[in-house]
Amino acid sequence: GAVVSQHPSWVICKSGTSVKIECRSLDFQATTMFWYRQFPKQSLMLMATSNEGSKATYEQGVEKDKFLINHASLTLSTLTVTSAHPEDSSFYICSARGLRTHGYTFGSGTRLTVV
Amino acid sequence: TQLLEQSPQFLSIQEGENLTVYCNSSSVFSSLQWYRQEPGEGPVLLVTVVTGGEVKKLKRLTFQFGDARKDSSLHITAAQPGDTGLYLCAGQNNAGNMLTFGGGTRLMVKP
Repeated sequence: GAVVSQHPSWVICKSGTSVKIECRSLDFQATTMFWYRQFPKQSLMLMATSNEGSKATYEQGVEKDKFLINHASLTLSTLTVTSAHPEDSSFYICSARGLRTHGYTFGSGTRLTVV
Repeated sequence: TQLLEQSPQFLSIQEGENLTVYCNSSSVFSSLQWYRQEPGEGPVLLVTVVTGGEVKKLKRLTFQFGDARKDSSLHITAAQPGDTGLYLCAGQNNAGNMLTFGGGTRLMVKP
């Protein structure tokens, strides 16, 4: 079945630094990737949708200059949290969908802690 | 904006009991998916329902899609501690390019 690998699974960074999270589709071409944010004991909130080779579409309230998304290839999308602050601490999850896969495959998530 | 209301938000039951989780919306979805998520991991797909009125069974789990494709339910029979987790419903829009998640139901099954 379709597999999505997300890396790192957890990261601790200092306030003011930037952190990059990678999301790779291992056995299919992901034409669309989605990035979610999840606070403790809450559901997933869509941050942005990215199509390969195009600029990401951000949901209302999500700062595109803070959360940089790159989807330069059909198997890799990255989310960079720039100038991270403690309030950016959260669980970030990616999801991928391909031309031949009708479902959404989720990565295992990245727990970001900004200290 | 399509919204999904999921209830209850939290459920704590004893092993062996039955339970039902509901997912309701005023919008029509082309399909609806149920996921289970464990702490520190991504959601894992349990089932996708597509046709109004559809019922799918997965061992002790029964999923139903409403006739109007606006609501869905998940029924668990004889719950076990291994069923503990966060259950999420998610509706796919008619364009087929986005999932909207419900608020989630946190289930705890005590032995």
